[in-house]
Formats: sequence, structure tokens, C-alpha cells
Amino acid sequence: DTEVTQTPKHLVMGMTNKKSLKCEQHMGHRAMYWYKQKAKKPPELMFVYSYEKLSINESVPSRFSPECPNSSLLNLHLHALQPEDSALYLCASSQVLAADIGVGDTQYFGPGTRLTVL
Amino acid sequence: SQQGEEDPQALSIQEGENATMNCSYKTSINNLQWYRQNSGRGLVHLILIRSNEREKHSGRLRVTLDTSKKSSSLLITASRAADTASYFCATDAIYRDDKIIFGKGTRLHILP
Repeated sequence: DTEVTQTPKHLVMGMTNKKSLKCEQHMGHRAMYWYKQKAKKPPELMFVYSYEKLSINESVPSRFSPECPNSSLLNLHLHALQPEDSALYLCASSQVLAADIGVGDTQYFGPGTRLTVL
Repeated sequence: SQQGEEDPQALSIQEGENATMNCSYKTSINNLQWYRQNSGRGLVHLILIRSNEREKHSGRLRVTLDTSKKSSSLLITASRAADTASYFCATDAIYRDDKIIFGKGTRLHILP
């Protein structure tokens, strides 16, 4: 199984709502990532987890809260978002982090969640 | 901060022709990867080339890396309609703490 799944595919929420995005992989990967992508722009890294611990937070606002309950799951909890947070949110995983093996590692991406904040 | 810059930003070619995209980057890297993204969907990894490699092939794809010029090229031969997508280079820079940074991308359109 070389698939990363994300749910939901689409999400529309108001600025006062609380919602969560879910990502799952069963490839035994120990590094997982959240990216945000605006239209016609490259993905921007938000968070990196390594062995279920937060490794990198790219100065993301606290209204985004990541969680890694186990090695297969990665959640992104959303609260009090702004309309400018509307974007495609991509999850990815890799076997390990680059620092663990000294060279870069391929990331496998999910299909993304299209988020619209009203 | 942006590490990779692709050019051209957009490219339209006839089906069957070859497509070449370039990527330039600023700092020393461990490796460089190319990804494809179909409209509004997830990214698909195409190929990874390490800093000590100069050329790599995978099917109809050919990637070159010139670390002295800090540049890479992706060649897609005998293009097909299904190759229509955005293509991103991503660099795993030395001292960047396990991040890969994506370039702005090239939007490739294959004309029938």
C-alpha cells in the first residue's frame, strides 16, 4: 500500500467553527508533513512530525493545531480560521527524515483537502 | 523562503514533442526532486537526483543536475496529453533541517 489518504476531500467552514483534517498512511513511514497550497503556488511547509513528535513548526498561527496520535495518523485541528486560510491542505509522509539518513527522502502526498473558510 | 525557481512558468507544446523545464536554486543541496501535480490534486514524486549525480533517467523522464550552476533540468520525451500538469522541483538543502522547499512550478500543457 503506497497510498496516503486524506479526509475530507472538501470542507467549508465558518470562522467560528472547529473542524479537523485527517491524514493516514500504512507504509510504515515515520515522518509526516502538512503543507498548505494556494492556487497556482507551490506547497508551503507547515509542520513536520518525526516518530510522532513535532519536529518542525514553520511559524504557523495557533489557529492550526497538529496532532500525531500514532505513526499512521496525522490530524490538523482548525479553529477560528480566516478567509485567507482557504487553500488546498496536503499531507505527505516519508520513510524517515533526511537528517536520520543523511540524504533526502521521497515524500508521498495525499490528494489534499480543499478548505474554504467563509 | 524560495529555494527553487522553475522556468518557464508555463509551457504549451504539441503532443509528441519533447518538453524541457529548468530549475535553479540558491544554496548547496543534498538532493533535488521533481514532482508532478495534476490540477487541484496531490503531488506525485517523479525522480530524485542526489548532489553527486549528474544525470538520471526514468522512463520518458531525463533529469540533469549541475551543482556548479545550481540548476537542474527535467526533460519529458514524446509528450502525451496525460503529461499536462504542473511540475515542481524541490530541494533538500544542506542545513535546512529536513525541509524540502518547492520551486514556483512550471505549468505544462500538451496540445492535441
